[in-house]
Amino acid sequence: KAGVTQTPRYLIKTRGQQVTLSCSPISGHRSVSWYQQTPGQGLQFLFEYFSETQRNKGNFPGRFSGRQFSNSRSEMNVSTLELGDSALYLCASSLVGATGNEQFFGPGTRLTVL
Amino acid sequence: AQSVAQPEDQVNVAEGNPLTVKCTYSVSGNPYLFWYVQYPNRGLQFLLKYITGDNLVKGSYGFEAEFNKSQTSFHLKKPSALVSDSALYFCAVRDGASGGSYIPTFGRGTSLIVHP
Repeated sequence: KAGVTQTPRYLIKTRGQQVTLSCSPISGHRSVSWYQQTPGQGLQFLFEYFSETQRNKGNFPGRFSGRQFSNSRSEMNVSTLELGDSALYLCASSLVGATGNEQFFGPGTRLTVL
Repeated sequence: AQSVAQPEDQVNVAEGNPLTVKCTYSVSGNPYLFWYVQYPNRGLQFLLKYITGDNLVKGSYGFEAEFNKSQTSFHLKKPSALVSDSALYFCAVRDGASGGSYIPTFGRGTSLIVHP
């Protein structure tokens, strides 16, 4: 089975712009979670989608949003980018939601905001 | 509420020596515990998990972890470290109780450095 894929792998934007990141989960996985990883804050949960519905949400401002399509692919959008949004954004898929089942992570998208 | 602590930012060990990466947790119900490894410029890779059953869990690449309920710990171990084990290790926990959070909480990570 192919693993979790994320595109693009690297992205450079300027403050005020918006960005869309994409994630394709492992085939058959219906849950997709997004995390932000920074050296200072570690791994922080953004949101989880299951069957096209946002099931859980972390403590991030409304500038961060996401969606999931019928084929389980997911996108996350960050509007009005700030310098502090520079991070590695990780997507993870899971077979039965992020429950007792382990998550499988993609390689991440490295976002740099200038 | 659930939380996990990795008390060591960095662990140094010589190649061939045993290694331990520490993790303690707090959950209201039954803990589901996980270890992940992250190599540079890569995503997290699942190593092993404890859901129920035997307290000693074996995982990928020769790693194992011991669940200790009384000490609320889930330390990662390996009998003989390799230089290639050098990476960032994350412990994660979620509450397995009915109605518990579906989302695991991750520790801040421990950098393992194995010296030749």
